[in-house]
Parts: sequence; C-alpha cells; structure tokens
Amino acid sequence: GAGVSQSPSNKVTEKGKDVELRCDPISGHTALYWYRQRLGQGLEFLIYFQGNSAPDKSGLPSDRFSAERTGESVSTLTIQRTQQEDSAVYLCASSLDGIGVQPDTQYFGPGTRLTVL
Amino acid sequence: QKEVEQNSGPLSVPEGAIASLNCTYSDRGSQSFFWYRQYSGKSPELIMFIYSNGDKEDGRFTAQLNKASQYVSLLIRDSQPSDSATYLCAVKPLISNFGNEKLTFGTGTRLTIIP
Repeated sequence: GAGVSQSPSNKVTEKGKDVELRCDPISGHTALYWYRQRLGQGLEFLIYFQGNSAPDKSGLPSDRFSAERTGESVSTLTIQRTQQEDSAVYLCASSLDGIGVQPDTQYFGPGTRLTVL
Repeated sequence: QKEVEQNSGPLSVPEGAIASLNCTYSDRGSQSFFWYRQYSGKSPELIMFIYSNGDKEDGRFTAQLNKASQYVSLLIRDSQPSDSATYLCAVKPLISNFGNEKLTFGTGTRLTIIP
C-alpha cells in the first residue's frame, strides 16, 4: 500500500521567504508527527497530531513555525520568514494510533530537503 | 546530559562478523525502544522495537534491553555490506496522556561493513 508521502522533495528558498511543506500520511493513521534532521544530526521532534488536534507542539523552535492538519489526513508545516538555520530535512511520520502502552510504529516519509540561501 | 545517547561512530565491522550498536537513555519512565536504519539521503525505516527486558530476535537482528541499566542494544549477525547505514535509537515514554507520544532519537551510529 501507499506509504507516507511528502512534497516537495526539495525546496530552495531565500532568507525571509515563507515556505509550506506538505505531508500525506498513510491512510487510516490518526497520528502524525513532524521531525527535523539537520545534516549529520539525529531527528528533532517538532509537533505531533492526534487526529486534527496537536497535543504536543513542544518541539516547534519558534513562533515562525506552525503546522495544521485537516480531515485527519494531510498536514502542512509552515515556516515564516525563513532563516539559514532552518535548512534541514523535514521528515513526517504517521502511526496508526499513537496512544497506548504497546509500541506504535511510526512510518516515515521521504522528507523535504529545505535549503535557505 | 542528552536524553538518548549513541556513539556516533563510524563503526567498522568485517563482513560476516557481528555488529554491536549501543544506546543509553536518561528517562527511567521510558517504556518503548526502537531501532531505525537510515541509509544516506533516505528516511529512517524501522528495524525492530522492544519493550520488555531481555532479548528479542528477528532474523539476523537481536535487540537487547536492560531497563535497570537504561541500556538498549542492537546486534547484527552475519553483517552484510548492505547493512552499512546509520542506526538510530529512539525512545518513547510510558503513554499516560496526550503529549507523550513523540520519539526521542539519538544522533545515530554510522556503521560500515567492510567486504
């Protein structure tokens, strides 16, 4: 079946511009996550959605970052007034439920490579 | 102290040998532990998860968990060149309410299998 998809795969933008990144989770997955991975670094949690609600936004680095999810499906991550330090791969993951003691596997999309010049 | 620590490597292992990857975590409330493999330029893919103390085997892979020592490891037997990748350890806390669903990742260990 179809996995998590993300678009665009690559985005080059100028400092100060706004960008919008899109994530299409696996159909039926209620939990959706955004992570950021800087070059040579591990994954940094940004935000988690359960359905259309975002119970955990603790990882958003500043108020320039926002995300929304509609229809318990597609999510968009928006970065306003981009800065060079925003350059990274932005990864989206989805899981079936996200809640419970049993491990709930997160499946990752291919990522969007953002370069801010 | 980092929440999840891994030796960044690179770790070089001869083909056919056992590769041992280690991870320690700081939150004693952590309950679920995941190993992801990430090829260069690709997204992470799940190899295994473990949540009970002891060993869990899946093919050539064995995950080992010791909650008392806050230590989780991944063993790869009969290492192949295709196992060359970065291995990410991820930890999830006990789920009690919203806000605890995220995975906390280590920075990864880069493994190279030498033919």
